[in-house]
Amino acid sequence: DIVLTQSPATLSLSPGERATLSCRASQTVNSYLAWYQQKPGRAPRLLIYDISNRATGIPARFSGSGSGTDFTLTISSLEPDDFAIYYCQQRRTFGPGTRVDIK
Amino acid sequence: QLRLQESGSGLVRPAQTLSLTCAVSGGTVGSAGYSWTWIRQTPSKGLEWIGEIYHGESTYYNPSLKSRLSITLDASKNHFSLNLTSVTAADTAVYFCARGNLNDDNDVDFESWGQGTLVTVSS
Repeated sequence: DIVLTQSPATLSLSPGERATLSCRASQTVNSYLAWYQQKPGRAPRLLIYDISNRATGIPARFSGSGSGTDFTLTISSLEPDDFAIYYCQQRRTFGPGTRVDIK
Repeated sequence: QLRLQESGSGLVRPAQTLSLTCAVSGGTVGSAGYSWTWIRQTPSKGLEWIGEIYHGESTYYNPSLKSRLSITLDASKNHFSLNLTSVTAADTAVYFCARGNLNDDNDVDFESWGQGTLVTVSS
């Protein structure tokens, strides 16, 4: 089974800063990976699918990249609304999440 | 716009059966190319895929839950359901239903989710 590892566990940044979140898979299954944002009390929201495609309505400041076992979600300039937990997902496995909080 | 809404018992006694239904609107559970999925979330285990069903009513279950799990689909009511038997406190979680977008390689992403419902297993 795939195991997804996300780093860092917590990222403390200020609005306007760039956020770089990492997701590593335990094995190469294929290169399909998705990213989600979740806020307290809410369902996860799909941000990125198939490594680098933004879902409907997702702002351009969110971008995904990577291949093989190493993938990255980048938020180019953090907005106040972006402070949340971010999960990666491959096949039916989710990563443990990275919390992005306000510094 | 697709909407999903979970309903069911919020409190289940140990050893009993957890039953949830996901009502779908703005789309049909008979549509090909999608999986109708249950996912749960706990603080300790995070997001855990439970299982899914397809328009042809084939199912695919998490191996760790398979012996206790049943997911069914009712096209006439446009909903799908989850039954999990012999529950324990470890099954306490927020349960989400979601629609998965499938590709030919069995990859999936979940663009549409229900709001989630908390199910507590306790006597």
